Amino acid sequence: GENVEQHPSTLSVQEGDSAVIKCTYSDSASNYFPWYKQELGKRPQLIIDIRSNVGEKKDQRIAVTLNKTAKHFSLHITETQPEDSAVYFCAASANFGNEKLTFGTGTRLTIIP
Amino acid sequence: GAVVSQHPSRVICKSGTSVKIECRSLDFQATTMFWYRQFPKKSLMLMATSNEGSKATYEQGVEKDKFLINHASLTLSTLTVTSAHPEDSSFYICSAAEGGAYGYTFGSGTRLTVV
Repeated sequence: GENVEQHPSTLSVQEGDSAVIKCTYSDSASNYFPWYKQELGKRPQLIIDIRSNVGEKKDQRIAVTLNKTAKHFSLHITETQPEDSAVYFCAASANFGNEKLTFGTGTRLTIIP
Repeated sequence: GAVVSQHPSRVICKSGTSVKIECRSLDFQATTMFWYRQFPKKSLMLMATSNEGSKATYEQGVEKDKFLINHASLTLSTLTVTSAHPEDSSFYICSAAEGGAYGYTFGSGTRLTVV
């Protein structure tokens, strides 16, 4: 089955700087890659996603890049703000809305004011 | 947008008792429900996948007789933790999918504490 690895497990950046979180996946059949932000005790919140037919997607300060050949995808957050502090999870699915999501191990992002 | 209502949000039960968690899709039909468990500071681990009207498919290592899943309708799925023990204490969260534009809609989660 699918295995998703995520790095780093913790990340601290100065407010205003950029943060990058990377994930690799094992199943070449995976074609949907979402990123979630989770605050303590809350449900995961989808912040951006990408499908395998594109290499990059951007939404304001957040961007995701995908390298299908290398089977890795990354989350980029620019101009970080204190409210970006949370745990971030990447995930992968072989069929959007039908197949299970396999989650990465998570990254605790701390923005230092 | 799509909404999944999950109840209860928190429950404390005694060891040996059973607890039922409900997830309802409020404005769409959830053909598939995924049930996850999340231990503190850990990732979401899939426990089982259920499709409306059929038996759930459990992930390796998840006891199907302990974690009973029912998906009798397109808007309701339940997870019953039977004979709960302290090691079952965790955050349980459902995710509904309808195979279309909504993708995956998460419930708000249930914090289960077994004492």
